Amino acid sequence: EIVLTQSPGTLSLSPGERATLSCRASQSVSSSYLAWYQQKPGQAPRLLIYGASSRATGIPDRFSGSGSGTDFTLTISRLEPEDFAVYYCQQYGSSPEYTFGQGTKLEIK
Amino acid sequence: QITLKESGPTLVKPTQTLTLTCTFSGFSLSTSGVGVGWIRQPPGKALEWLALIYWDDDKRYSPSLKSRLTITKDTSKNQVVLTMTNMDPVDTATYYCAHQSAGTTPGAFDIWGQGTMVTVSS
Repeated sequence: EIVLTQSPGTLSLSPGERATLSCRASQSVSSSYLAWYQQKPGQAPRLLIYGASSRATGIPDRFSGSGSGTDFTLTISRLEPEDFAVYYCQQYGSSPEYTFGQGTKLEIK
Repeated sequence: QITLKESGPTLVKPTQTLTLTCTFSGFSLSTSGVGVGWIRQPPGKALEWLALIYWDDDKRYSPSLKSRLTITKDTSKNQVVLTMTNMDPVDTATYYCAHQSAGTTPGAFDIWGQGTMVTVSS
């Protein structure tokens, strides 16, 4: 079973700063099948990035994804007030087909 | 425009069976590469994938819950149904259904329902 570990657990930054979120897999993950989601309180998750680096429809270009193998990164180049939320990485592979990380909370400093 | 909406009981008793329905629009579950999955989230905790059904009726389950889950589809009604047996208070969570398309966002859930909160309590 592939386990995804996200770090840090909480990231405190100010609007305008750059955010770097990490997702580390216990085994190699196909880059084609690594996704990132944003979730705000009381809302469903929203797909940001799929295929490790492709932005989903309507996602601003300040969001970017990178990485391969076991190490993946979500970068928000310049934080906007609406970006403060919880972020999850997710992989698709062998059983279990889908696993999520435990999340990183991005909070306003 | 793709939309999904979950429906089902808000409260179930321990040992009972939970039946949730995902009603969707804007796509067909008979289209090659399309799937609908179920994901849950206990209060204040992370997301957990439960099951997924593909256009060709292929079904996949979380190994840890496989013995308790059944996923089915009714293409004519645009619905996917998830049943979970032997409910326990630890199953208290918001349950989401979500769309997946291998042709556009492979391996990722691109559109989610609003979720439905299920509480397990006697």
